[in-house]
Amino acid sequence: NAGVTQTPKFQVLKTGQSMTLQCAQDMNHEYMSWYRQDPGMGLRLIHYSVGAGITDQGEVPNGYNVSRSTTEDFPLRLLSAAPSQTSVYFCASMAPRGGVYGYTFGSGTRLTVV
Amino acid sequence: GNSVTQMEGPVTLSEEAFLTINCTYTATGYPSLFWYVQYPGEGLQLLLKATKADDKGSNKGFEATYRKETTSFHLEKGSVQVSDSAVYFCALSSYGQNFVFGPGTRLSVLP
Repeated sequence: NAGVTQTPKFQVLKTGQSMTLQCAQDMNHEYMSWYRQDPGMGLRLIHYSVGAGITDQGEVPNGYNVSRSTTEDFPLRLLSAAPSQTSVYFCASMAPRGGVYGYTFGSGTRLTVV
Repeated sequence: GNSVTQMEGPVTLSEEAFLTINCTYTATGYPSLFWYVQYPGEGLQLLLKATKADDKGSNKGFEATYRKETTSFHLEKGSVQVSDSAVYFCALSSYGQNFVFGPGTRLSVLP
């Protein structure tokens, strides 16, 4: 099925470990982004990309890196996990930014850092 | 910058009650407006949208009208069901700008 695929769905990390959250879309969308969702905080933008080779910071970028080597993939890297990064992470894509079609979201990755 | 304000709830209704979730926005230009729904344990799904003033978006019995004069996009449903229990997000999108989401409104529908 066409859409946004996130892996893994669940992950437990120890403080200081690193990992990569994977995101792939098969809709040829230019724009991709990563959000985190925390209770009472709504959705907060971490990083976004307007196309392959172009990334930029969102509202809460610290502790996260991204790259966009292809149109399809937009991985999110946690460099040294901290308990404050315990959250649900959503990847989303859109064509193009500000377009009338809105975002398509992945099903999320629930991350716990202990 | 662009912003979205919506009632945060939680909203608790009995089955078959009328639902209104208010959403107002601030934006330059002519944004597109959206309502997303998030069911427990799932990602956000697009519920409906409107791309210009006076447009009415509708889906699954939900409706919202793009009111430029009041900068509003209130979500309504005439008769809610238990299966409508979810979190609802109002959002706007302007060309060249990042999406802006409201804080979300949790709806609980009791049988």
